[in-house]
Amino acid sequence: RKEVEQDPGPFNVPEGATVAFNCTYSNSASQSFFWYRQDCRKEPKLLMSVYSSGNEDGRFTAQLNRASQYISLLIRDSKLSDSATYLCVVNRENTGNQFYFGTGTSLTVIP
Amino acid sequence: EADIYQTPRYLVIGTGKKITLECSQTMGHDKMYWYQQDPGMELHLIHYSYGVNSTEKGDLSSESTVSRIRTEHFPLTLESARPSHTSQYLCASSEFKGTVNEKLFFGSGTQLSVL
Repeated sequence: RKEVEQDPGPFNVPEGATVAFNCTYSNSASQSFFWYRQDCRKEPKLLMSVYSSGNEDGRFTAQLNRASQYISLLIRDSKLSDSATYLCVVNRENTGNQFYFGTGTSLTVIP
Repeated sequence: EADIYQTPRYLVIGTGKKITLECSQTMGHDKMYWYQQDPGMELHLIHYSYGVNSTEKGDLSSESTVSRIRTEHFPLTLESARPSHTSQYLCASSEFKGTVNEKLFFGSGTQLSVL
């Protein structure tokens, strides 16, 4: 079983829509959680960390459910510039603080 | 913006050649990593380092080597390039705190094509 699983999509949504991505992780020892954004043929860039209480950064809201080993990302009022692949990333101490990546969820925002 | 740099950005090379991919960071981060990523696939860890003179193997390490003589520099060497090495190579670094929320910062990558 993969460490991190995501629905690859693609998600094609109109401008202004709200879209949600989900991610599950297999190891309950995972400690830190992140969403990264990756544009085509570019490097991943940190979008936001995910905290146990949930957190928001502008139009982006991240949630963590440790009991279900589930992470989500909600994007409100989608912009054309949000088109990218969104990577779910987890980190755990018992493997030397290694990072584990999902394959990413592809989002295209349509005018 | 993260201060981590990779060269070359693109490299096309013939089979059997020895190549070194360069990675430098100016953030003073202890941990550095090399990942390989094919289109539409997840990142796979090749090597990582906790600091100077520390190197560890990841999942795909068998055909490459790394060195960490200085904090800021973490080059990756392929002794004999093969077409199966064609991929994007991403270098990353993080400030090792040994606790939660250790964030990872990436260089812009090297796209390697082996003919």
